[in-house]
Amino acid sequence: DGGITQSPKYLFRKEGQNVTLSCEQNLNHDAMYWYRQDPGQGLRLIYYSQIVNDFQKGDIAEGYSVSREKKESFPLTVTSAQKNPTAFYLCASKSDAGQGTQPQHFGDGTRLSIL
Amino acid sequence: GDSVTQMEGPVTLSEEAFLTINCTYTATGYPSLFWYVQYPGEGLQLLLKATKADDKGSNKGFEATYRKETTSFHLEKGSVQVSDSAVYFCALTRGGGNQFYFGTGTSLTVIP
Repeated sequence: DGGITQSPKYLFRKEGQNVTLSCEQNLNHDAMYWYRQDPGQGLRLIYYSQIVNDFQKGDIAEGYSVSREKKESFPLTVTSAQKNPTAFYLCASKSDAGQGTQPQHFGDGTRLSIL
Repeated sequence: GDSVTQMEGPVTLSEEAFLTINCTYTATGYPSLFWYVQYPGEGLQLLLKATKADDKGSNKGFEATYRKETTSFHLEKGSVQVSDSAVYFCALTRGGGNQFYFGTGTSLTVIP
């Protein structure tokens, strides 16, 4: 079945450490996204990418970095500059077909905690 | 800019009660509208969508009608079940761009 795979499901970071969250999709979607969700809150956009080797900052990009070397993959690195990284991270993708009528498809998320 | 406003929760209903979760939007042009559902510890799942005015999206007993005159996309279900307990998000996107705009989510708890 096609879908989006996020790994790991749970991740722990020590102070001063960078960690990378994986997101892989086999839906052949062009656009991919990273969101952060805090308890009881909505989604905030971190980064998004519309094509390989190109990405744009979202509303809360500070302290995060991404790469898009392959269409299927859009890893997110949470750097030590992100002072409050504890959150639930969601990856999504979307087809470019249909002139803006296509939904985003989401992975099951990675929960990041600070040790 | 584009935005979505949905009713604040939490909402608590008895099983078999009628559900309405209000959603209004601000957007230029003709956005596509979506409802997503999120169960605890999981990602968002698409519940239903509507891509033009007067379209009705429906799935699993849930319905929402795209009302351009009132810029609304309210979610309804005639008889909720305990298994409907989740957080519901309203969202929009417009052609020509890839950004989505989400509401803040409405938590629903259905009690037996």
